[in-house]
Amino acid sequence: NAGVTQTPKFRILKIGQSMTLQCAQDMNHNYMYWYRQDPGMGLKLIYYSVGAGITDKGEVPNGYNVSRSTTEDFPLRLELAAPSQTSVYFCASSTSGARYEQFFGPGTRLTVL
Amino acid sequence: DAKTTQPPSMDCAEGRAANLPCNHSTISGNEYVYWYRQIHSQGPQYIIHGLKNNETNEMASLIITEDRKSSTLILPHATLRDTAVYYCIVRVEGSSNTGKLIFGQGTTLQVKP
Repeated sequence: NAGVTQTPKFRILKIGQSMTLQCAQDMNHNYMYWYRQDPGMGLKLIYYSVGAGITDKGEVPNGYNVSRSTTEDFPLRLELAAPSQTSVYFCASSTSGARYEQFFGPGTRLTVL
Repeated sequence: DAKTTQPPSMDCAEGRAANLPCNHSTISGNEYVYWYRQIHSQGPQYIIHGLKNNETNEMASLIITEDRKSSTLILPHATLRDTAVYYCIVRVEGSSNTGKLIFGQGTTLQVKP
């Protein structure tokens, strides 16, 4: 099991550029999540999905889009990158329900200049 | 989900027990207490969770007070590799639950030789 994988590990974008952060899991988890973490802060939820074809907004969804066409993949799209989106992005997955742990990927460090 | 309060930082001597407190005075009856940790910019790692009873696993013990308004995570023999930010989170279990985690700023535990 690879667990949760994320690509790329690092990326530098110019203001106004777009990109897609990839996330995949091989644990057959229904639930997947995208978080961002700014320096010295806790993680904040951007978007989440409870299954293929179902997504919903978290705390900080502005400037991002997601899709979930398969159980395994949950890409995060940044349109018109802004310096405020400089952050570390973590993807996570879990079995359904609050009593189950979330497994996190290694993160993508994004800088927007 | 209930809010949690943790001290911003703590020190612990290597080989001694580390006791990390968490207040969650507004916790509801169906909310679980979860602990995660984050080691230097890696993705958060699940440690343990509980509802009412004390819990123990290979990593730690979780002590929940009888009124459930506070809890303590215990690392029985702290090592230098336990230096990390520790997050206490409460999550609701229910039919509408989406498994979302609401991260605070956590406690930075520094284990010293």
